[in-house]
Order: sequence, then C-alpha cells, then structure tokens
Amino acid sequence: QKEVEQNSGPLSVPEGAIASLNCTYSDRGSQSFFWYRQYSGKSPELIMSIYSNGDKEDGRFTAQLNKASQYVSLLIRDSQPSDSATYLCAVVPGTALIFGKGTTLSVSS
Amino acid sequence: DAGVIQSPRHEVTEMGQEVTLRCKPISGHDYLFWYRQTMMRGLELLIYFNNNVPIDDSGMPEDRFSAKMPNASFSTLKIQPSEPRDSAVYFCASSLLGNTEAFFGQGTRLTVV
Repeated sequence: QKEVEQNSGPLSVPEGAIASLNCTYSDRGSQSFFWYRQYSGKSPELIMSIYSNGDKEDGRFTAQLNKASQYVSLLIRDSQPSDSATYLCAVVPGTALIFGKGTTLSVSS
Repeated sequence: DAGVIQSPRHEVTEMGQEVTLRCKPISGHDYLFWYRQTMMRGLELLIYFNNNVPIDDSGMPEDRFSAKMPNASFSTLKIQPSEPRDSAVYFCASSLLGNTEAFFGQGTRLTVV
C-alpha cells in the first residue's frame, strides 16, 4: 500500500522563524514530489516541486529530497502569519499524486 | 485559462438521493483526477482519467460511486444512492502529463443529511 506520512501538528512558530515540515513515503519507486498549501476552506495550491535528490530553493521556500531515506522536507524561512495553513506533501508512485494528511502550521505575530 | 472549474460549489441532499458533481479541466490537460477530502482520511484519490479513459478506479469506495469523462472538457462523479458518510469535499484536478503537478478546482462541499 502506497503511503505518505506527515506529522499532523499543529506546528507553531513565531514570526520570522524557520518552519520545518517533514514527510516520508513508502514507495521507493516514486519519482516526483510536491508540496501544496491549503488554507482553511480553500483548495490545495502548488508551492514547490522536486524531482532529484538535494535542495531546491524558491524564494523563502526550500524543498529537500532524500530518496535513499524516502524523505521529503519543506523549509519556510522568515515565516509570516500569512503562511499559517495546512501543508500537504504529495508523492507520485506511478501517475497520480498521493497525498499525506497534511501538517498544520501556525505562525504567530 | 480559468483553471479547473467545478460545480456546484455546495450541495446539500437527503440520504438516498442521487448526486452529480461536475468538472471542467484546464484545456489541454490530458489527465483528470477526482479526490475526496475528509478530516479523518485526508485527501484520497478516487479515480483518474487519461485522455478521457478511466485508468485507475481502485480508490472508488463502493459501487454507489461512478465517474465518466465523455469528452476532454467535462467529467462527472455520481453517487447513487447517497449516504451521510459520503459527506466530504470533492476535488477535481487536472495535469498536463502524468507524474507532474496537478491543479485543483475549488471543490464541491457535499453534505448528505
């Protein structure tokens, strides 16, 4: 069974701090990895994609992938109250995205 | 492009009634996915299509659920008969290729009473 695991949180950080979100997956053949952000009552929106081992940076966001450890992470630098949302990790073991249950992030001002 | 369009945004129905959810994918996208989101189970893949053909429906919970994609610009998810445990937010998403990012519609919040 293909699984994607995330800590549900909530993860609470003060404004300006670094938020670290983690995700593990079970299917070793997975090739594509994504992070989505979902505000309450809204649909998931893509914020990062990563396909190869290492780090990928985009503004305040850095995605990290370690296929040997089957581990994906998302770092948010200089966290803002507007970053408060649920972050969903998605993995593609075949064709379709399989999602974790998400980690709720709360950034306090 | 207007993005993925779903209708209705909200649906309240009585147990036993038929419910039809609709989705228009992004033009040119070859893949269409139906997901269901609940607090308990998170975002679950129900079924997906490639070039209008259903590829994997192993996530469809019961025979009461069915999905069709008669053409490249329209898909439906039908529940007949509906039950209270079907209450959830149903998302449609589309992607240009398999194994790439998917773009989500606004979702349909279904309540079965």
